[in-house]
Amino acid sequence: ETGVTQTPRHLVMGMTNKKSLKCEQHLGHNAMYWYKQSAKKPLELMFVYNFKEQTENNSVPSRFSPECPNSSHLFLHLHTLQPEDSALYLCASSPAEAQGDQPQHFGDGTRLSIL
Amino acid sequence: AQRVTQPEKLLSVFKGAPVELKCNYSYSGSPELFWYVQYSRQRLQLLLRHISRESIKGFTADLNKGETSFHLKKPFAQEEDSAMYYCALIIRAGSYQLTFGKGTKLSVIP
Repeated sequence: ETGVTQTPRHLVMGMTNKKSLKCEQHLGHNAMYWYKQSAKKPLELMFVYNFKEQTENNSVPSRFSPECPNSSHLFLHLHTLQPEDSALYLCASSPAEAQGDQPQHFGDGTRLSIL
Repeated sequence: AQRVTQPEKLLSVFKGAPVELKCNYSYSGSPELFWYVQYSRQRLQLLLRHISRESIKGFTADLNKGETSFHLKKPFAQEEDSAMYYCALIIRAGSYQLTFGKGTKLSVIP
């Protein structure tokens, strides 16, 4: 299925490792989002990029570092994570944040496990 | 801070019975409300949005500002409606805030 693609689908890493999650969309959208979905908690918005500029950071710890080189790609760089960071990380896109109501297309997510 | 409450973690109904998935929000201004759905082994997807006043797959949702609710309804449940349903609230007041509820798992019994 085309739309929003996330890689890898699964990632296991130690607390001292550095890894990156990748998200790609070719829907012509200009806004991209990172969400965290933990067990027993609501889906949490982490970051929003609109036209490659970060417009929101929902008090996310600095061990998560987003990067948006262009409107089609979004990365989440991870370093020195904690066990409580184990979760499903979802990427989403929408046409543009400033235009009325925004349908969002989601990826399948990356299941991250911190050892 | 704004909040979205879905009081039921699990809702089971028989096929053909009416369905109502509850969603309440806390926000004093003008919210934008959405329902998202995730079917088994599929990705999260938008179901409907209050601004559009549309009916998708037989589901409707009306924003009730007096009761601060946005309940999702369908008159006759189908087996294929079994899924996780998430209510979400967007606020654009200076900054962009999107808040999801914890979700309700709908199980339609054949």
